[in-house]
Amino acid sequence: QVQLVESGGGLVKPGGSLRLSCAASGFTFSDYCVTWIRQAPGKGLEWISYITAGRIIYYADSVKGRFTISRDNAENSLYLQMDSLGADDTAVYYCARVRLARRTAISYNVYFDFWGQGTAVTVSS
Amino acid sequence: QSVLTQPPSVSAAPGQRVTISCSGSSSNIGTNYVSWYQQLPGTVPKLLIYDNSERPSGIPDRFSGSRSGTSATLGIAGLQTGDEADYYCETWDSSLRVVLFGGGTKLTVL
Repeated sequence: QVQLVESGGGLVKPGGSLRLSCAASGFTFSDYCVTWIRQAPGKGLEWISYITAGRIIYYADSVKGRFTISRDNAENSLYLQMDSLGADDTAVYYCARVRLARRTAISYNVYFDFWGQGTAVTVSS
Repeated sequence: QSVLTQPPSVSAAPGQRVTISCSGSSSNIGTNYVSWYQQLPGTVPKLLIYDNSERPSGIPDRFSGSRSGTSATLGIAGLQTGDEADYYCETWDSSLRVVLFGGGTKLTVL
């Protein structure tokens, strides 16, 4: 069965850095796009970034230049390097498997079929 | 303020049907496919609808989705108290080159 297990969350001071990991199992990791999504306390879902099987990467504007997504297919792992953290980055961070398809010449389908349990990041002094 | 607009809350009685709207624009819902997620209290979001109207295995047919123009709609029939949750729409935006989530809608089953 598909499993995604995040780790690396914790308490970090403003301006600090943190690296999240997501260990995947139950599917051929190298064949899939994977993503990070976060949810601030009491707030909605916010997409952060995804990396395709071919290592094409997209970021949300809110994290561009501060966060770096990467993957290690040999380790079946996804990573998120987070730098210059601020209070607004406090959230539960989820990794998820992405189903990504170009359906017509101009339309795409992007959705998240399996999610991890999340890891909490708190940015506070 | 989300680019995809959902009502903050909806409510209905058990057994009734409720719809949740998701309004976007030509570069997102108007072009790309919409998905819906259910987040029960204290749990991880779960895929409910993909490809505008398809249900993953295990999702009951009480849940339905549709898309028309730049809006999408999630329908839930035969409401149960266990359906109380936050519901989110999601799609790709071809102009912004980002994934968008709606702000979420809290469903209360009275």
